Amino acid sequence: NAGVTQTPKFQVLKTGQSMTLQCAQDMNHNSMYWYRQDPGMGLRLIYYSASEGTTDKGEVPNGYNVSRLNKREFSLRLESAAPSQTSVYFCASRISAGLYEQYFGPGTRLTVT
Amino acid sequence: GENVGLHLPTLSVQEGDNSIINCAYSNSASDYFIWYKQESGKGPQFIIDIRSNMDKRQGQRVTVLLNKTVKHLSLQIAATQPGDSAVYFCAENAGGTSYGKLTFGQGTILTVHP
Repeated sequence: NAGVTQTPKFQVLKTGQSMTLQCAQDMNHNSMYWYRQDPGMGLRLIYYSASEGTTDKGEVPNGYNVSRLNKREFSLRLESAAPSQTSVYFCASRISAGLYEQYFGPGTRLTVT
Repeated sequence: GENVGLHLPTLSVQEGDNSIINCAYSNSASDYFIWYKQESGKGPQFIIDIRSNMDKRQGQRVTVLLNKTVKHLSLQIAATQPGDSAVYFCAENAGGTSYGKLTFGQGTILTVHP
């Protein structure tokens, strides 16, 4: 049982390049989330998926898109990377309504030059 | 407590001391609160949670206190150990149809000296 896994662990992009961050969970959780964490700040929600087949914007969605590929996988795409998107990205999952604890992956450290 | 700008609050303690980390939350409708620990280079890890119908909850070496009157949350760590050194975040859930979304505080850096 690996929990929440994320790939890649590190990535460097040039401004304007695109990439997809992958996230998978093996806990049969219904809800999945993408956060970004900037230095000296807490986590801010980018997008979330309450259940398979649904996605919604969080606090900071601009410049990102997501896909809930199936119950296990939730990907985050940067279509045209900008230096302001340099951050550490965390994926999380949660089992169901009534239980709010989220389980986090190890993160992807992204640098946009 | 948290709600500080880019400079995280810090707490330095000696091994064996008790630590208290504070958090002010903003949404009076929040019905669930959670503390996470984040070690350097890792994702946040669950420590303890509490619902708004409680004012205290205890775990192993940790206690969370909730004061809804002043919208304040605290995490107490007993007999702090060097392995407790990390950034600690509080998070709140706004309840209703928020789909389990958590709003995180900015974090407090705890350093435990041997």
